[in-house]
This record gives sequence, C-alpha cells and structure tokens, in this order.
Amino acid sequence: DAGVTQSPTHLIKTRGQQVTLRCSPISGHKSVSWYQQVLGQGPQFIFQYYEKEERGRGNFPDRFSARQFPNYSSELNVNALLLGDSALYLCASSLAQEQYFGPGTRLTVT
Amino acid sequence: DQQVKQNSPSLSVQEGRISILNCDYTNSMFDYFLWYKKYPAEGPTFLISISSIKDKNEDGRFTVFLNKSAKHLSLHIVPSQPGDSAVYFCAASASGNTGKLIFGQGTTLQVKP
Repeated sequence: DAGVTQSPTHLIKTRGQQVTLRCSPISGHKSVSWYQQVLGQGPQFIFQYYEKEERGRGNFPDRFSARQFPNYSSELNVNALLLGDSALYLCASSLAQEQYFGPGTRLTVT
Repeated sequence: DQQVKQNSPSLSVQEGRISILNCDYTNSMFDYFLWYKKYPAEGPTFLISISSIKDKNEDGRFTVFLNKSAKHLSLHIVPSQPGDSAVYFCAASASGNTGKLIFGQGTTLQVKP
C-alpha cells in the first residue's frame, strides 16, 4: 500500500511569494493534519481536516490556509512568505489515533 | 509553554544494550501518547503508542511505559541496534482532538556497534 505522499519534495521561494503544498493520504484515511518542523524542534501542528472540514488550527497566522478535497487529498497554502517560514512541512493522515507521516516538503524562503 | 518535553537532546548506547528515552508532559488532558522515529530527509515513522488507561505497551523490541501521576513516559529499546540510530520524538494528544499531536523536541539516539 502506498503511504502518505507529498509534493513537491523541495521548493525555493522568495519573500512575499505564495506557495501551495500538496498531500495525498493513505487510502481510506479521511483525516489529514499538517505540521511545520524547523531545525532542532519537533513538528508543530498547523491544521487538521476531516471530511473536508477544518477540525483544528494551530497557532499560525492567517497567511496559512488549507483545504481538503473530496478524495481526501489536501493542500496547504502559505501567502506572503517570510524568511521564518523556511521549514520542513509534514502531512499526516490517520484512521484512528495514530498518524502516519509523509516525507515532507522542504521549503526554503530566500 | 512546552507541553511535551524531552530533556535529553542526545543519547549514546552500545549495540545490544538497552536504550531508554524519556518524555514529560504537563497537560492533564493528554490521554494518548505516541513515539516516532525520524531519519534525516524523511518524515517521522510511527513506532508505538499507549493510551492513558494502560501503563505499559510492548511491541517487539520496543516498550513504552506511562506514569500518569508523574506525567512521564519512557521508551525502552532492547536490544539496541545500529539501525535504531535516529531522532526520536514523543507526542501526545487529547481525546476529542486526536488530529492534533503535540511533539517534544526530540532525542537523538546513537547506537554504537
């Protein structure tokens, strides 16, 4: 079975630009969560979506938004990029309480 | 406020010996705890979990212990193998909010041959 997939793998953007990251969950998983991981820290929760509805939001500014599609795939959008948005963005899907992570998208903002 | 803490940034053990990774939490609402392993350039891999109604869960070489009164959990790996060398994260969630995991800062485990 395919695991969680994310695209792109790496991305370089300039300050002020916008970025869209994509995630496909494990087949049958209806919940998708997004996390940001900066170097030396654990992942920080950004959003959870379940059945296309936002179920939770972390302490991130409104520049961060997300959505989930009928096939349960998800997009994370970040507007007006700042240097501090440079991080590994992780997507996780779940059926129950265990979350399964994708390989992440490494975003570099210059 | 760090609700989940891993106070040891790194741990080094000899192959074949036991590795013990520790984690403390402050939020009494947490009722489910997970351990993940992470290699560089990969996403975290789920290892083992425990519900707050238990105090121990075992899966092969991995055992997680939960002490609710102390708000402390630990992951035991025995015997340790060089392939276990990675960053280990503990995470916690609260019922009704299971899609939101709160992670510790991670502990880098090095298992020496």
